[in-house]
Amino acid sequence: AQTVTQSQPEMSVQEAETVTLSCTYDTSESDYYLFWYKQPPSRQMILVIRQEAYKQQNATENRFSVNFQKAAKSFSLKISDSQLGDAAMYFCAYRVKETSGSRLTFGEGTQLTVNP
Amino acid sequence: GAVVSQHPSRVICKSGTSVKIECRSLDFQATTMFWYRQFPKQSLMLMATSNEGSKATYEQGVEKDKFLINHASLTLSTLTVTSAHPEDSSFYICSAAYGPSKPQHFGDGTRLSIL
Repeated sequence: AQTVTQSQPEMSVQEAETVTLSCTYDTSESDYYLFWYKQPPSRQMILVIRQEAYKQQNATENRFSVNFQKAAKSFSLKISDSQLGDAAMYFCAYRVKETSGSRLTFGEGTQLTVNP
Repeated sequence: GAVVSQHPSRVICKSGTSVKIECRSLDFQATTMFWYRQFPKQSLMLMATSNEGSKATYEQGVEKDKFLINHASLTLSTLTVTSAHPEDSSFYICSAAYGPSKPQHFGDGTRLSIL
């Protein structure tokens, strides 16, 4: 069974600084997707960034980038120039690549606080 | 704009009541939708996978008769919490993907409070 682990229940960062959130996963599959979702106090689930396992290049979305280490099964999220609006719960998620819809497996989450 | 609509956003009702939550995919067809439950400060736990035109697949420990799922069309899945009790109070959220290689999009969730 696939598992996703986020070892940092809470993290904090100063506004305009950079923070990295950690995520590791376990799978026997070779082709899959990894995601970072953001959940602000409104509890909406917002997709931050997505990585396809067969792509070696790390995904980047504006201030958000990932460090994907497939052999180590590590998928960390780096937030640059942190803003107050980045404060939220962040979830790392895994999904196997299938021809039909497949389930997401979530990590426990990391609560990010941004200090002004 | 939202690609998945969930309704209602908040329900408060008495113990013993059955509550229906709707999840709609907007502008796309979803043969598969997912229902999650989330307790405060915890992660999303998959309850069941809703399959259009067939029975839902429930995760271990989830009572099928308590949480009824119907996916009668390609754009609508419903979750009915039958004879709800205070312990069923939680945040319920659905998701759908408009293709096997596409990321899942989530509804805004339903906060259920059973008095």
